[in-house]
Amino acid sequence: NAGVTQTPKFRILKIGQSMTLQCTQDMNHNYMYWYRQDPGMGLKLIYYSVGAGITDKGEVPNGYNVSRSTTEDFPLRLELAAPSQTSVYFCASRTVGTDPEQYFGPGTRLTVT
Amino acid sequence: AQSVTQLGSHVSVSEGALVLLRCNYSSSVPPYLFWYVQYPNQGLQLLLKYTTGATLVKGINGFEAEFKKSETSFHLTKPSAHMSDAAEYFCAVTPNQGGKLIFGQGTELSVKP
Repeated sequence: NAGVTQTPKFRILKIGQSMTLQCTQDMNHNYMYWYRQDPGMGLKLIYYSVGAGITDKGEVPNGYNVSRSTTEDFPLRLELAAPSQTSVYFCASRTVGTDPEQYFGPGTRLTVT
Repeated sequence: AQSVTQLGSHVSVSEGALVLLRCNYSSSVPPYLFWYVQYPNQGLQLLLKYTTGATLVKGINGFEAEFKKSETSFHLTKPSAHMSDAAEYFCAVTPNQGGKLIFGQGTELSVKP
């Protein structure tokens, strides 16, 4: 199993551009999450999904959109990128059931200038 | 609302010394608790977790943590630090099996030779 994979690893965007961060998991997990990590702030939840077709906002959803058309994929869309979206983005997934552990991807480092 | 506080954003120890990273949480219900480690330019890896049962939890790489309900703490310890332990450590809490993870702000551990 590859686990959780994210592409790209790095990206530089100009202000106002848009892009999609890709996340795929091969563990047949129902739950998927997007976090952003800023220095000294820990990880903040952007959006999450409990299954295909179902998404919901987390703590910091403004400026982002998500979709979940399949169990495997959970892309994060940035529209009109702003410098405040410069961050490291992590995707995670977990199974339904008694084990609450989340499995993380390697991250995407995004710079908006 | 749940919250997690990690005391000390930077901790420095000598190789062979005790590692103690502090984590306190607030939760209205008995929580599930986690410690994750992040090595430079990598994703998060689970060190250990507490769900139910024994309050002293052993994890990978010689780390352990004790859930103390009366103190609302889940401090991470390792008897003897190794240079390879240098990383950032995150404490996280979720109130139940389906809950979202709430992260502390992280503690960067440095190990001096």
